[in-house]
Amino acid sequence: DAGITQSPRHKVTETGTPVTLRCHQTENHRYMYWYRQDPGHGLRLIHYSYGVKDTDKGEVSDGYSVSRSKTEDFLLTLESATSSQTSVYFCAISEPKGAYEQFFGPGTRLTVL
Amino acid sequence: AQKITQTQPGMFVQEKEAVTLDCTYDTSDQSYGLFWYKQPSSGEMIFLIYQGSYDEQNATEGRYSLNFQKARKSANLVISASQLGDSAMYFCAMREVNTGNQFYFGTGTSLTVIP
Repeated sequence: DAGITQSPRHKVTETGTPVTLRCHQTENHRYMYWYRQDPGHGLRLIHYSYGVKDTDKGEVSDGYSVSRSKTEDFLLTLESATSSQTSVYFCAISEPKGAYEQFFGPGTRLTVL
Repeated sequence: AQKITQTQPGMFVQEKEAVTLDCTYDTSDQSYGLFWYKQPSSGEMIFLIYQGSYDEQNATEGRYSLNFQKARKSANLVISASQLGDSAMYFCAMREVNTGNQFYFGTGTSLTVIP
């Protein structure tokens, strides 16, 4: 299994509070991704990174920011959480060779009350 | 427009039978990759199989095969000899080169294997 961890695994927070989710990898993969998974929508890309300090927006980036100061860590921040951001968040990594297949972390369940 | 379309929200299959899960995609790229992932009820995402746009032969991985029909833009997953452990959500995904190697996922198909 790819070495990907996410923290926290579960979080309940209140509307308007800032939240940071962390993805940590031990595989030295260049690409890292943040997705959210909601019923009926599959996985939707929030932001991704193609190297340290190199990030780009995905299709549902509004309300989210990211940072990647080290190869192994990719942080997702909700500056002011809203109830519409209640979701399961997955981190993924891939290496730009061959299939580029993505390997996923275990997910973080976030509930915004 | 949806990049990946999975039209079967739910499917049932008898144990030991084969099942096909449908996936169509939309891209103007010449270079892209197609993937299938499995998500059991425990929640993890498991990579199953990959097909490159230039691959002429259909990909196979054990009991999984990908029926790639480029002209029809379809990438159906075939699971042979279904097992009870195959009950899960299945997601089709595409990686597009011209969008910075972003991945696009379908909404998934829930497969239930009946004993």
